[in-house]
Amino acid sequence: SYVLTQPPSVSVAPGQTARITCGGNNIGSKSVHWYQQKPGQAPVLVVYDDSDRPSGIPERFSGSNSGNTATLTISRVEAGDEADYYCQVWDSSSDHYVFGTGTKVTVL
Amino acid sequence: EVQLVETGGGLIQPGGSLRLSCAASGFTVSSNYMSWVRQAPGKGLEWVSVIYSGGSTYYADSVKGRFTISRDNSKNTLYLQMNSLRAEDTAVYYCARASYVVYYFDYWGQGTLVTVSS
Repeated sequence: SYVLTQPPSVSVAPGQTARITCGGNNIGSKSVHWYQQKPGQAPVLVVYDDSDRPSGIPERFSGSNSGNTATLTISRVEAGDEADYYCQVWDSSSDHYVFGTGTKVTVL
Repeated sequence: EVQLVETGGGLIQPGGSLRLSCAASGFTVSSNYMSWVRQAPGKGLEWVSVIYSGGSTYYADSVKGRFTISRDNSKNTLYLQMNSLRAEDTAVYYCARASYVVYYFDYWGQGTLVTVSS
């Protein structure tokens, strides 16, 4: 089965840039989506199809995908960005949806 | 406005059965791809099952043969029938609508907690 690997944690100072990676075999050939989840809440889609943003998501959230790594970038980080972030793809070979292991972003 | 409301969670003994419901509003369940995703306490997200608009269903290996996803078009509701429950099935269960273009989850319910314990 397809596996997506994320760093367990990322720490960043307010106003700086956070980069969260999502590693998978030839992930650059897949569409990658990113979710933000705050404690006690359902996940929220923040980036889809590698780099598109749903309406209402700030431009500070951006994504890229190439080779074996996809990246979610949060620019000008704010305290409200502190949350868990998950990447996700659809594995066409099994018709399964796959989530990454999750990354906790801490704003210092 | 799109809304998803899950119900049916609770405390159940190992080996027992439970049926979760997800009532949808603002769109038609049968015309969309609908999925269940779960999250064990303190753990990450795990995809459980999907039902496509054409009726095809798929399951994670961890629940295949024990869980069944279905929908009632007249009630615009998604279901998850869970049998032979195990302690490791303890989780918050979310229903979510999936895009049928690039397969992401655009709307989520608030979740319902299932606890499997004696």
